[in-house]
Amino acid sequence: DTAVSQTPKYLVTQMGNDKSIKCEQNLGHDTMYWYKQDSKKFLKIMFSYNNKELIINETVPNRFSPKSPDKAHLNLHINSLELGDSAVYFCASSPSVKGRDEQYFGPGTRLTVT
Amino acid sequence: GNSVTQMEGPVTLSEEAFLTINCTYTATGYPSLFWYVQYPGEGLQLLLKATKADDKGSNKGFEATYRKETTSFHLEKGSVQVSDSAVYFCALTPNSGGYQKVTFGTGTKLQVIP
Repeated sequence: DTAVSQTPKYLVTQMGNDKSIKCEQNLGHDTMYWYKQDSKKFLKIMFSYNNKELIINETVPNRFSPKSPDKAHLNLHINSLELGDSAVYFCASSPSVKGRDEQYFGPGTRLTVT
Repeated sequence: GNSVTQMEGPVTLSEEAFLTINCTYTATGYPSLFWYVQYPGEGLQLLLKATKADDKGSNKGFEATYRKETTSFHLEKGSVQVSDSAVYFCALTPNSGGYQKVTFGTGTKLQVIP
């Protein structure tokens, strides 16, 4: 069974469109994250939720809005897509917000905006 | 703030060569330290971790020792294989209470040639 899954794996869309990426974890973890990885492999945290509560909200354009319907799911909605949004987006989860816990990553969603 | 500095890649080695990827960090207190590996087209996965000074993390022939005095967590492997070709990320999380955010290094690409 896949621990952290994301859909879709690939997303190609035009500028100005609105799209969503879904993430689910079956590990029973309390904390979930969204990361953006650019073409140079640099990882930047975007958001983190703990038990459906937003706890980390980095400097991310308002066009990005996360939603956590329950602690097993964390979705990312992006409005008015721009060329600079092209990247790989990773969802991750961890047992808690404590520092000693490792994070479990999904396979990523490669977003290409044309 | 916290930071992680990794050696720049790419690192190209022949099979069975010795590997060292340097990682130094800046953080207050005693952070937990991690090495994650990202194989092509996949998400990150934990390779090893250490949660206190002088701890040695090890997995799949890789090792790293938490050195508080030099604020380092260098990754080593005695004999690399082609299958070790991947991007390696050093990371830390503070253990100072509250919500913990992972700080990742910029990643080091390793290419092992037969």
